[in-house]
Amino acid sequence: DGGITQSPKYLFRKEGQNVTLSCEQNLNHDAMYWYRQDPGQGLRLIYYSQIVNDFQKGDIAEGYSVSREKKESFPLTVTSAQKNPTAFYLCASRIRQGAREKLFFGSGTQLSVL
Amino acid sequence: AQTVTQSQPEMSVQEAETVTLSCTYDTSESDYYLFWYKQPPSRQMILVIRQEAYKQQNATENRFSVNFQKAAKSFSLKISDSQLGDAAMYFCAYRSFGGAGSYQLTFGKGTKLSVIP
Repeated sequence: DGGITQSPKYLFRKEGQNVTLSCEQNLNHDAMYWYRQDPGQGLRLIYYSQIVNDFQKGDIAEGYSVSREKKESFPLTVTSAQKNPTAFYLCASRIRQGAREKLFFGSGTQLSVL
Repeated sequence: AQTVTQSQPEMSVQEAETVTLSCTYDTSESDYYLFWYKQPPSRQMILVIRQEAYKQQNATENRFSVNFQKAAKSFSLKISDSQLGDAAMYFCAYRSFGGAGSYQLTFGKGTKLSVIP
């Protein structure tokens, strides 16, 4: 089945540690996105990538980094510079279909600080 | 910058009844898309319904329909014949029509819907 796979489901970070969240899609989608969700909040865009080897900052990119070396993969690294990393992280992808385009979401990763 | 406001943090509905979730937005653009996403306890985001601003006709998807009032910048979601599986967080979202090809959805803070058996 085609879809977006995020791993791990739960992740714990120690102080000063970088952690990487995985996002893989087999939908052959061009664009991929990372969103952060905090309790009682909507989703906020961290980074997005429209094509391989290219990505742009979203609204809250500070303390995060990404790479897009393959079309299928868009990993997110939460660096030690992100002082409040505890949140639910959602990866998404989309393919352009004109007015009918939409985002496809993964099942998310819950990141907590030890 | 666009903003999306959902003024009802929580709502409840009796099973089989109808409920309406409110959403207002602020934009200076004339062409855009509006969405309702559902997030059940599994936390998977699911697209419920989409509305193109240039279309006057309100979108419908089975038991879900919207009341799109462009002048009032209002985009409410009506759920008819509510079912237990409709219990979830519902997010209203906005996207610009044009631009650089990015897909930057602006989300509201959500409305938690409970369905009472």
